[in-house]
Amino acid sequence: GESVGLHLPTLSVQEGDNSIINCAYSNSASDYFIWYKQESGKGPQFIIDIRSNMDKRQGQRVTVLLNKTVKHLSLQIAATQPGDSAVYFCAEVPYGTALIFGKGTTLSVSS
Amino acid sequence: GAGVSQTPSNKVTEKGKYVELRCDPISGHTALYWYRQSLGQGPEFLIYFQGTGAADDSGLPNDRFFAVRPEGSVSTLKIQRTERGDSAVYLCASSADLYGSPLHFGNGTRLTVT
Repeated sequence: GESVGLHLPTLSVQEGDNSIINCAYSNSASDYFIWYKQESGKGPQFIIDIRSNMDKRQGQRVTVLLNKTVKHLSLQIAATQPGDSAVYFCAEVPYGTALIFGKGTTLSVSS
Repeated sequence: GAGVSQTPSNKVTEKGKYVELRCDPISGHTALYWYRQSLGQGPEFLIYFQGTGAADDSGLPNDRFFAVRPEGSVSTLKIQRTERGDSAVYLCASSADLYGSPLHFGNGTRLTVT
């Protein structure tokens, strides 16, 4: 599958491939993290979340990995489908403050 | 169930005018958030409420922006003397509580200041 070691603004994959989207967060005090998917003309849609006492969490076709040592978060999408095409944002929640969004990655899936 | 509802979905106004943007959160959600998203950027925090009170308004760019949530449910974002730089999508979100619950977003109000 396609993956990126550092944040890249775009990622292009073939249908059926696995996708990995990376994100670096900034605040070591953040204890809650969320991945959102945003389609054109719509608000961000919740995908999956993870708390700082975990390093991995799985959902339906998605897995989030958290590496607190290097402040890195990743979203893995299995068997990527054309409907997965969207902009993906990671977000962190430092305790006591509101959610802070990272830079988005535009995922394009071709069939 | 019903998600977060924002009205209007689009608003075009002239520079200098006053606008109000409305948000109906998910029923029972105590926390409500306003974000602003410019083209090609991630949402930027403006203000959030716990109940009726503003818990943090540090993201409001200046005193032309104000938000209220008088009964702890519906919220209104108010912008006075609009400027062309205020053009953006204004997103509202709600969550079951302040910490540790995901935010659920509406589809936003696209504000265009001409």
